[in-house]
Amino acid sequence: NAGVMQNPRHLVRRRGQEARLRCSPMKGHSHVYWYRQLPEEGLKFMVYLQKENIIDESGMPKERFSAEFPKEGPSILRIQQVVRGDSAAYFCASSPQEGKAFFGQGTRLTVV
Amino acid sequence: GESVGLHLPTLSVQEGDNSIINCAYSNSASDYFIWYKQESGKGPQFIIDIRSNMDKRQGQRVTVLLNKTVKHLSLQIAATQPGDSAVYFCAEIITGNQFYFGTGTSLTVIP
Repeated sequence: NAGVMQNPRHLVRRRGQEARLRCSPMKGHSHVYWYRQLPEEGLKFMVYLQKENIIDESGMPKERFSAEFPKEGPSILRIQQVVRGDSAAYFCASSPQEGKAFFGQGTRLTVV
Repeated sequence: GESVGLHLPTLSVQEGDNSIINCAYSNSASDYFIWYKQESGKGPQFIIDIRSNMDKRQGQRVTVLLNKTVKHLSLQIAATQPGDSAVYFCAEIITGNQFYFGTGTSLTVIP
């Protein structure tokens, strides 16, 4: 049973471009969470999704950020018109109906 | 509760000593708690969990204590080793699978 897979591991984008971060949850997990982490800081909750539904997006910036978890395929975190302040590590976690969440290795986004 | 983007508190311990990492949570409705370990450049890794109907749970070299009265959680690591150096996060889970992380503590083990 493969763990949570995130890709790419590293992503470089120029200011104004779009960034797409992918997360494939563990097999059998229907809950996905996205977190953002700046260097030397904690994990900041962004969004919690179940298949085809956004459950809690209270941590998502109102503009330029969106997330989805379609019926088929990975969860996508999309950042439009990236700015330097978007540079961070973005972690995805998945969990089964109830239970502990397992994390991926993260995508490190650098905006140049 | 939620990470508020503060710089991480740090803890330094001598190799072989016991470590105690503390976490205060915010929501009395939280019914499940997890400790995660994050090594540099990696994702958080599950260590141990505890449900709110328990006040203590032991794993291999680790013990989690839960005090619901003061909403406090602690992680005890016995005979700390250099490989234990990492950032440790507690997570509180409210019914419905809402995960919220504490600020984290950076543990450094001195050989």
